[in-house]
Amino acid sequence: GDSVTQMEGPVTLSEEAFLTINCTYTATGYPSLFWYVQYPGEGLQLLLKATKADDKGSNKGFEATYRKETTSFHLEKGSVQVSDSAVYFCALDTGTASKLTFGTGTRLQVTL
Amino acid sequence: NAGVTQTPKFQVLKTGQSMTLQCAQDMNHEYMSWYRQDPGMGLRLIHYSVGAGITDQGEVPNGYNVSRSTTEDFPLRLLSAAPSQTSVYFCASSRDGNSYNSPLHFGNGTRLTVT
Repeated sequence: GDSVTQMEGPVTLSEEAFLTINCTYTATGYPSLFWYVQYPGEGLQLLLKATKADDKGSNKGFEATYRKETTSFHLEKGSVQVSDSAVYFCALDTGTASKLTFGTGTRLQVTL
Repeated sequence: NAGVTQTPKFQVLKTGQSMTLQCAQDMNHEYMSWYRQDPGMGLRLIHYSVGAGITDQGEVPNGYNVSRSTTEDFPLRLLSAAPSQTSVYFCASSRDGNSYNSPLHFGNGTRLTVT
């Protein structure tokens, strides 16, 4: 079946550091890929998305590139801020009706 | 615009009790779903609905019932709570179920503890 694997957290960084959160997937067919973010006490929000190989999703300084050859969708940001502290979920969808398959989430803590 | 509203925010139940988690959206979305979030397991789909009167099971439906009598509301019922149902529950909706073109909008969650 479909699955998403994310790097274990928590990830602790100083402000302005470079961020990478790894995500790899296994899926039949050609999935759409997503990153969702969950701020403390809130529900998940869509951060960025990509639908086909070599697509780059970007939002709020975050980027991720759909790599079919390595089945990966790593999340990056050049300079993190304290306000980026949250849990980040990688997800995929190969079917209809928004039946997303989520990874386990990676907690990011950014300190001054 | 309230988006997706879940009530209650917190709930403690004893084993065997029943309760309903409420979910309402004001965006006229056709698709609604329930997920549970457990440590180390991410989010797992419980039930979903593609429109009023239509529901289907997700990955972990056992112990939960749903109904969709209106477009706006999608309650989740626990008929006989068990400690294994201790979790954070999220309701989500989207315009038409196409996850790429109409992303999911999530509520703020209900934290349920079953003792």
